[in-house]
Amino acid sequence: ETGVTQTPRHLVMGMTNKKSLKCEQHLGHNAMYWYKQSAKKPLELMFVYSLEERVENNSVPSRFSPECPNSSHLFLHLHTLQPEDSALYLCASSQVWDRDYTFGSGTRLTVV
Amino acid sequence: GENVEQHPSTLSVQEGDSAVIKCTYSDSASNYFPWYKQELGKRPQLIIDIRSNVGEKKDQRIAVTLNKTAKHFSLHITETQPEDSAVYFCAASSFGGSNYKLTFGKGTLLTVNP
Repeated sequence: ETGVTQTPRHLVMGMTNKKSLKCEQHLGHNAMYWYKQSAKKPLELMFVYSLEERVENNSVPSRFSPECPNSSHLFLHLHTLQPEDSALYLCASSQVWDRDYTFGSGTRLTVV
Repeated sequence: GENVEQHPSTLSVQEGDSAVIKCTYSDSASNYFPWYKQELGKRPQLIIDIRSNVGEKKDQRIAVTLNKTAKHFSLHITETQPEDSAVYFCAASSFGGSNYKLTFGKGTLLTVNP
């Protein structure tokens, strides 16, 4: 492990389900990120939490809801997802002024 | 916002040959350019980065070059080995203020054939 742990590693959910992805870092970083990785597409930044401030990509649907209770933990709450939301969701952390991201292993999400 | 284009999308080379992956960016304010390697089923990992105050950086078999005027940067891998097979992502970021996010390219699948 690199210091960023994501759970679960795999998740299959129906379109009416509610689930949450969890990310935890023990690197002392003060910024955390959610990225979506779909086939043949760039890594897409969804949300950033930095120094307790949230920055979001306005194109992310409201069925994705982030939560960052402290600098070490980050959640992504999911509800009423669509099949096109199936992807690998990667969490990353860094120091705010250092772009050297440490990624987690990701959660492979399948929406059925 | 920043837009990063990466080419080629796939690259196949023979072991021992060199591989070059190129990226262009749109935001002239960007000044940090990392490269990540993602092996199959694994997380992206930083392999090398370059800041805008230098034109080239080397780390053993890996080098990155930056042309700020043309707004493009490239990854060079020499003496490729099968374990270099992976997806490589370039990224660009501006530094400071509230602009701390990385914008990634689409990735290049590199296959090194033994």
